Amino acid sequence: ELKVEQNPLFLSMQEGKNYTIYCNYSTTSDRLYWYRQDPGKSLESLFVLLSNGAVKQEGRLMASLDTKARLSTLHITAAVHDLSATYFCAVDMSGGYNKLIFGAGTRLAVHP
Amino acid sequence: DVKVTQSSRYLVKRTGEKVFLECVQDMDHENMFWYRQDPGLGLRLIYFSYDVKMKEKGDIPEGYSVSREKKERFSLILESASTNQTSMYLCASSLYSDRVAKNIQYFGAGTRLSVL
Repeated sequence: ELKVEQNPLFLSMQEGKNYTIYCNYSTTSDRLYWYRQDPGKSLESLFVLLSNGAVKQEGRLMASLDTKARLSTLHITAAVHDLSATYFCAVDMSGGYNKLIFGAGTRLAVHP
Repeated sequence: DVKVTQSSRYLVKRTGEKVFLECVQDMDHENMFWYRQDPGLGLRLIYFSYDVKMKEKGDIPEGYSVSREKKERFSLILESASTNQTSMYLCASSLYSDRVAKNIQYFGAGTRLSVL
């Protein structure tokens, strides 16, 4: 059974600091996704990672994938308040059916 | 832009009522999904559908059923609502495609259901 574990589940950061969110999964996967959810809002896709060593960057967020370690990281650089949200990783093993298994989510709070 | 529309943002129902949650997408996606979201548990898949009239159980199908009579519409049905079904329900859709760049799930705004 595929399991996806994120840590930490809650992260309080100061503005300007760097931090990393980790996503471990238990079996081989085709692809890994990162989503963002703002309070009271729906999920928005951030990154799709396909292959070992894949790295994607958007602004202050950078996601990477190590398929051998079954690990993805979401690195936050010089955090700003606008990054406060819940971040989910999700793993797809189902090919075209796009059936995802989600982690529990990491709630990020960035404060001055 | 892809639009996934859920019929209600908030619903309050009584125990034992039959509840319908509706979801419509406008991008001709083959795949549609229903999740429930609970604090600390992330999103858990209830049912998904990869074509009209086709459905597959997800991880937590007990107490739920679904209907997909048209490609754009996917309904979640709670046959007899119970208090432990109080939750946020999210609908999503995606293409059936092995070209991953397009294989992203797009989510609706969610329905917060309270069963009293």
